[in-house]
Amino acid sequence: AQTVTQSQPEMSVQEAETVTLSCTYDTSESDYYLFWYKQPPSRQMILVIRQEAYKQQNATENRFSVNFQKAAKSFSLKISDSQLGDAAMYFCAYRSTGTASKLTFGTGTRLQVTL
Amino acid sequence: ETGVTQTPRHLVMGMTNKKSLKCEQHLGHNAMYWYKQSAKKPLELMFVYSLEERVENNSVPSRFSPECPNSSHLFLHLHTLQPEDSALYLCASSRDRTNEKLFFGSGTQLSVL
Repeated sequence: AQTVTQSQPEMSVQEAETVTLSCTYDTSESDYYLFWYKQPPSRQMILVIRQEAYKQQNATENRFSVNFQKAAKSFSLKISDSQLGDAAMYFCAYRSTGTASKLTFGTGTRLQVTL
Repeated sequence: ETGVTQTPRHLVMGMTNKKSLKCEQHLGHNAMYWYKQSAKKPLELMFVYSLEERVENNSVPSRFSPECPNSSHLFLHLHTLQPEDSALYLCASSRDRTNEKLFFGSGTQLSVL
């Protein structure tokens, strides 16, 4: 079974600085999807960024980018120019490509953004 | 507007009560999901519906009973819950069962006394 591990329960970053959130996963499959979701105090889970495993190029969405290391099974999220609105829980998630597959989530990292 | 709306936002119930959680999506999606989010634990998938048919039940106790009357609505009926069932219950939808992009609602925070 696939597992997703987020080893940082909490992180803090100053406004305008850069922070990296870690995620590792375990799988025997070669093709899959990886995601970072953000859950602000409003509780709605919002998709931040998505990576397809067969693509070597790291995904980027504005200030958010990932460092995908397939061999190491590592999928970290980098947030540049951090803003107060980035404060939230961040969840890493894995999904295989099969039709009956489901999202497997990590336990989350709480990100605080300070002035 | 998130596209996925959940009501109520908060719910407090006794162990002998019967209540229902409601989820509605306005995205034209064909798959809907119930997730349970407990503190310090990964999100747990409870049920999956595809085209109004339940396609997955992840060993959820029978005191949780889902219902999907049409592709836009999903309910979770609750009966004789336990205090350990207190959690945030999230609804999500996707274009279809094979699509990996999920859209979530804001959840119902449930407290069982």
